[in-house]
Amino acid sequence: DADVTQTPRNRITKTGKRIMLECSQTKGHDRMYWYRQDPGLGLRLIYYSFDVKDINKGEISDGYSVSRQAQAKFSLSLESAIPNQTALYFCATSADMYEQFFGPGTRLTVL
Amino acid sequence: GNSVTQMEGPVTLSEEAFLTINCTYTATGYPSLFWYVQYPGEGLQLLLKATKADDKGSNKGFEATYRKETTSFHLEKGSVQVSDSAVYFCALSRAGNTGKLIFGQGTTLQVKP
Repeated sequence: DADVTQTPRNRITKTGKRIMLECSQTKGHDRMYWYRQDPGLGLRLIYYSFDVKDINKGEISDGYSVSRQAQAKFSLSLESAIPNQTALYFCATSADMYEQFFGPGTRLTVL
Repeated sequence: GNSVTQMEGPVTLSEEAFLTINCTYTATGYPSLFWYVQYPGEGLQLLLKATKADDKGSNKGFEATYRKETTSFHLEKGSVQVSDSAVYFCALSRAGNTGKLIFGQGTTLQVKP
C-alpha cells in the first residue's frame, strides 16, 4: 500500500461549490504539506502543518483552508471553487527538512 | 526573496546522451538543495540532495554539486535511458529547519530510443 494516499484522484466541479481533498499517510511523520502544481510554475505551497495543533499558511493560501484531523490526516478545502483553482494538487509528508514524500496527486477541474 | 530558476524545457535527447539540466538559486543563508523527479502520472520523489557548499549528491547515475560561488546545482547524467523520461524539479529548503521547499518550474526530459 502507498505511504501517502490522496482522495479523490480526479474531480470535476462547478464554480462556487465547496470541495474537500483528503490526504492520509502511514509514514508516521509529523509534518504535512499541501501544494498545487501548474504548468510552467512548478509546485507552490498552500498550507503546511508541523503537528496536529500547528497550521501555517504557505505562499498561496487565499481561497483555501485546511484541517489536521490527526497526525495521519490533512485535508484541504476550497470554500467556493473558482476556475483558476484548476490544478494538480499534491500532499506531502516529512520527518525533517531534508526529504518530503509525495502522494500521487489529485487533478481538480473547476468549470 | 528565495527562488529557484531552471532551464526551459522540454529537453529531448537520444538514449545514451549526456544530460545537463541547469538550476540556479537565490537564497539567504545556507539552504539545502534538492532534485526531485516526477514520472508520468505520479507524485514527486527525491532524486538527490546536498546540504552544504561543495557537497555532491548522487543517485541512479545522476549527480549534482552544490556550488555556492555560482549559486548553482546543475543536474547531470552521463548516459540517459528512455526510463529517465520525466519532469525534474530543482528545489531549496531555507535555512532554519522550516522544512518548506521552494521549487523551480520543472524541466521535462524526453529520451528517445
